[in-house]
Amino acid sequence: QSALTQPASVSGSPGQSITISCTGTSSDVGGSNYVSWYQQHPGKAPKLMIYEVSNRPSGVSNRFSGSKSGNTASLTISGLQAEDEADYYCSSYTSSTTLDVVFGGGTKLTVL
Amino acid sequence: EVQLLESGGGLVQPGGSLRTSCVVSGVYFSNYDMSWVRQAPGKGLEWVSTISESGGRTYYAASVKGRFTISRDNSKNTLYLQMNSLRAEDTAVYYCAKYPSRGWSSGFFDYWGQGTLVTVSS
Repeated sequence: QSALTQPASVSGSPGQSITISCTGTSSDVGGSNYVSWYQQHPGKAPKLMIYEVSNRPSGVSNRFSGSKSGNTASLTISGLQAEDEADYYCSSYTSSTTLDVVFGGGTKLTVL
Repeated sequence: EVQLLESGGGLVQPGGSLRTSCVVSGVYFSNYDMSWVRQAPGKGLEWVSTISESGGRTYYAASVKGRFTISRDNSKNTLYLQMNSLRAEDTAVYYCAKYPSRGWSSGFFDYWGQGTLVTVSS
């Protein structure tokens, strides 16, 4: 199972909105609603930001939203803040023959 | 408060073995499927293995199948990863990660540990 495809980097100014894409195949992203997004600050553990394409866990700001169209999922962050600067990873899985969890390569978000 | 605390990382020679552990607190451990996810230095996340709540079902990434074994001791609230025939490319921070109550079919990890560094080098 190949990794999901994300842009290596995105940037935006405080207050702006940015979108990170995550492209897979019909076997993973396109084939289910099991897409999740994680935020990782340097030297820290990943933190769940979005699950099942568009659901936010309790405590995650509503500035974070997720969506999906076909084989591509997206994470949008509105009203960018300095603390949003981090790496972001998407994830999905397939279980046709056995479980196979895949992550995107990660996107470095820089807040200018 | 849910906490996952990994230990057992260190320096090991190529071909050697190592066992990492993850103690889980704040939840009824035996109710949850668990996983190991690793991250090589400067690289992205890579799923390694998943185990069901009872330990009866295990799943592995192709890159570690046959070399790594995931297990758990529900009486000790502890998850393990036995790593054999280690290679330089196994060098990474190893995170344990918890699934929500619906299990691995939910498709996401709701809690992560801080990780333990495994370095494979001569």
